[in-house]
Amino acid sequence: GAVVSQHPSRVICKSGTSVKIECRSLDFQATTMFWYRQFPKQSLMLMATSNEGSKATYEQGVEKDKFLINHASLTLSTLTVTSAHPEDSSFYICSAMRGTGDTQYFGPGTRLTVL
Amino acid sequence: AQSVTQLGSHVSVSEGALVLLRCNYSSSVPPYLFWYVQYPNQGLQLLLKYTSAATLVKGINGFEAEFKKSETSFHLTKPSAHMSDAAEYFCAVRNQAGTALIFGKGTTLSVSS
Repeated sequence: GAVVSQHPSRVICKSGTSVKIECRSLDFQATTMFWYRQFPKQSLMLMATSNEGSKATYEQGVEKDKFLINHASLTLSTLTVTSAHPEDSSFYICSAMRGTGDTQYFGPGTRLTVL
Repeated sequence: AQSVTQLGSHVSVSEGALVLLRCNYSSSVPPYLFWYVQYPNQGLQLLLKYTSAATLVKGINGFEAEFKKSETSFHLTKPSAHMSDAAEYFCAVRNQAGTALIFGKGTTLSVSS
């Protein structure tokens, strides 16, 4: 149990376009989902925390107008990178938690390349 | 504020040798600590977690970690390395709010035959 999926696994887009990444909890309801960003050979940096039905909480330095997060249901959260630029190229990983204090279960990640 | 420090960005061992990956933490509250493994181009898989119960925690794939409050450490060990253990390992501590995880910088484990 506790499987989290992400779609797509890889995406290449042109500069200026928007890209949507989906994160789904397949066999449990996730009250909280998290979005992380990972640069090559570096650690995961938390971008935002989202609770179902409410606005996401963004970490300091993360532009909420650029990285739109929607947590419309207990099994789905989406991250939209708007007007993507090459510096947005990164590995984006989501995680999901059943409830406060529970273990976080991670998705397989999405590799975004902006040309 | 919570933080973790992983000593050694790269550890190399021979197959069959002991694996020791170091993690020290800083926390203003009793910590919840985690070790995750990441294979290339994949997400993170939970190896084990410490949640204030037994100080010696056993995880998957033969890994274990010992919580030592006096040393503020949570080092990861495995008695005998396998080639398949080669990966990136992250130590993490739950933030004070009890929600997000704060990760260390990671340690790359290489295993040679």
